[in-house]
Amino acid sequence: DTGVSQDPRHKITKRGQNVTFRCDPISEHNRLYWYRQTLGQGPEFLTYFQNEAQLEKSRLLSDRFSAERPKGSFSTLEIQRTEQGDSAMYLCASSSTGTGGLEQYFGPGTRLTVT
Amino acid sequence: AQSVTQPDIHITVSEGASLELRCNYSYGATPYLFWYVQSPGQGLQLLLKYFSGDTLVQGIKGFEAEFKRSQSSFNLRKPSVHWSDAAEYFCAVGPSSGSARQLTFGSGTQLTVLP
Repeated sequence: DTGVSQDPRHKITKRGQNVTFRCDPISEHNRLYWYRQTLGQGPEFLTYFQNEAQLEKSRLLSDRFSAERPKGSFSTLEIQRTEQGDSAMYLCASSSTGTGGLEQYFGPGTRLTVT
Repeated sequence: AQSVTQPDIHITVSEGASLELRCNYSYGATPYLFWYVQSPGQGLQLLLKYFSGDTLVQGIKGFEAEFKRSQSSFNLRKPSVHWSDAAEYFCAVGPSSGSARQLTFGSGTQLTVLP
């Protein structure tokens, strides 16, 4: 069990640029989640996948955000036309279907800074 | 809608002293409850979880938490704090029924440990 991994760990971009983050879940987990965490706050849910199907999206996920999990393994989160308000830590988590998939294991996160 | 309140933004304790971090939740039924710990710049590590059964649950690193339905609380405790426990602690609630699978987090409690 190598845990959840995320890449990159840090990303600095200029306003208006597009960025893409990758998450590799624990190999036997079929559920994958994205959360966003701003300074001094707890994580906020963005979206989740079961296998390759995106089953739920938060209202926080504006049209500029898109997430994919094409083969039910790794996932990508893309932010188009970044804004300064997008600066945050983006966390990925994974779980199995046991206990409703709520026992979630988190990766180290990708810290995004938009200048 | 579910919500979590962590009333203490920051707590300072001396090494070796006991610790209690407070968590109150709002949910229509008995939820699933979690405590996570986050070190600076890192993702979240699951400390312990409550799904059902015994209301006193044991976790890793010597932590325990008690679910009190009458008080809608799930407070985290440790009898003797170590300097390495300094971190931010998040309480989270998840739905025990329905199709939603996201966790809702509190805003966290920052723990400082004095030598």
